Amino acid sequence: DQQVKQNSPSLSVQEGRISILNCDYTNSMFDYFLWYKKYPAEGPTFLISISSIKDKNEDGRFTVFLNKSAKHLSLHIVPSQPGDSAVYFCAASPRYNTDKLIFGTGTRLQVFP
Amino acid sequence: DAGVIQSPRHEVTEMGQEVTLRCKPISGHDYLFWYRQTMMRGLELLIYFNNNVPIDDSGMPEDRFSAKMPNASFSTLKIQPSEPRDSAVYFCASSSWASALGVYEQFFGPGTRLTVL
Repeated sequence: DQQVKQNSPSLSVQEGRISILNCDYTNSMFDYFLWYKKYPAEGPTFLISISSIKDKNEDGRFTVFLNKSAKHLSLHIVPSQPGDSAVYFCAASPRYNTDKLIFGTGTRLQVFP
Repeated sequence: DAGVIQSPRHEVTEMGQEVTLRCKPISGHDYLFWYRQTMMRGLELLIYFNNNVPIDDSGMPEDRFSAKMPNASFSTLKIQPSEPRDSAVYFCASSSWASALGVYEQFFGPGTRLTVL
């Protein structure tokens, strides 16, 4: 059973527009959520995170929104740039086991000129 | 620091052969993770260690898979015998506590792309 779900395997956005990547989770015991970015032939790298006590966290062009009642979070990239083209993984950290992360299936973002 | 180092980067083998993947974590990190990336399941946690001790191996798919961490700077993931369905990218990651994030931040290696023919 997939506790962290990314239902859109791919997303295509024009340069300069907003990219919205979505993530749903099933376990209410998750305390922290993270987004990782992965380029081809490289390992994932940390991008941005949010605590369950917040509903928004912003870092430059990247903003993560958390809706706990819907068990949903989203990553907004504004404006999108070609260099943002990558696979984005959503991950969650359980309250009962903060040393591990549970990852989603990933969404491949392509930003075209 | 060179980051997490994995070897080999690519491995092509025939069904039934033994495969050994290697990982050197970032110095000072006390957690080490092995993941498998597939289209269907994304980044799937196979096993992880804390201070060289296996903590959770519930993600290891079968007895054909085994992992060891003989010391703080080295870990192996072995598949014996290998099967075509084991073809995937295998990642090693190590982590340290990130107080600003409130979680253990994981740093990934570049991965090993395994192809079993």
